[in-house]
Amino acid sequence: DTGVSQNPRHKITKRGQNVTFRCDPISEHNRLYWYRQTLGQGPEFLTYFQNEAQLEKSRLLSDRFSAERPKGSFSTLEIQRTEQGDSAMYLCASSLAGTAEYGYTFGSGTRLTVV
Amino acid sequence: AQSVAQPEDQVNVAEGNPLTVKCTYSVSGNPYLFWYVQYPNRGLQFLLKYITGDNLVKGSYGFEAEFNKSQTSFHLKKPSALVSDSALYFCAVRPHGSGNTGKLIFGQGTTLQVKP
Repeated sequence: DTGVSQNPRHKITKRGQNVTFRCDPISEHNRLYWYRQTLGQGPEFLTYFQNEAQLEKSRLLSDRFSAERPKGSFSTLEIQRTEQGDSAMYLCASSLAGTAEYGYTFGSGTRLTVV
Repeated sequence: AQSVAQPEDQVNVAEGNPLTVKCTYSVSGNPYLFWYVQYPNRGLQFLLKYITGDNLVKGSYGFEAEFNKSQTSFHLKKPSALVSDSALYFCAVRPHGSGNTGKLIFGQGTTLQVKP
């Protein structure tokens, strides 16, 4: 296990299409986070899972966004009816509960371009 | 509202000179503080953290940061910059006791440019 893996690395989609991203965290990490990073900005929190439970969602996560972590392992982030404003880097991170003070491990991100 | 500010969009230094990247925060309680670095088209890499104890913390690649509670600052420093340090740097805070979710609040980032 070499870290947090995100797929795809890049996604170009037409406005109105649905897209799904996948994140595979470090295997023993029970916490998983999704962040969104737009150009010139720092990452913004979207949502958080502990095991399979989604415990917090940002108000940035509109009803077009949904995230799942069905078995407490990998997670998917789906965006329905994409808009140009959804173009961003979507970052996934994982950590082990009780050790978050040591920082997360981030994946390399999925860059979404909506045309 | 809880926030993190990095007042400089870009910092330029000559190789071999000391560097400072500034960060101030507005968070209630005693937060955990972090610095991350991001290279182009890559995720964020952890550099260092402050949890408690000595105000000067040391991290990866020769970086260090000084926590100043009265000024609510956590500036990143390095005594001698390298060209390879050129990257985007983010300061982040985890509000302590924030429902224990571990959520981080990031600054907007500072681009460090080290010239030979």
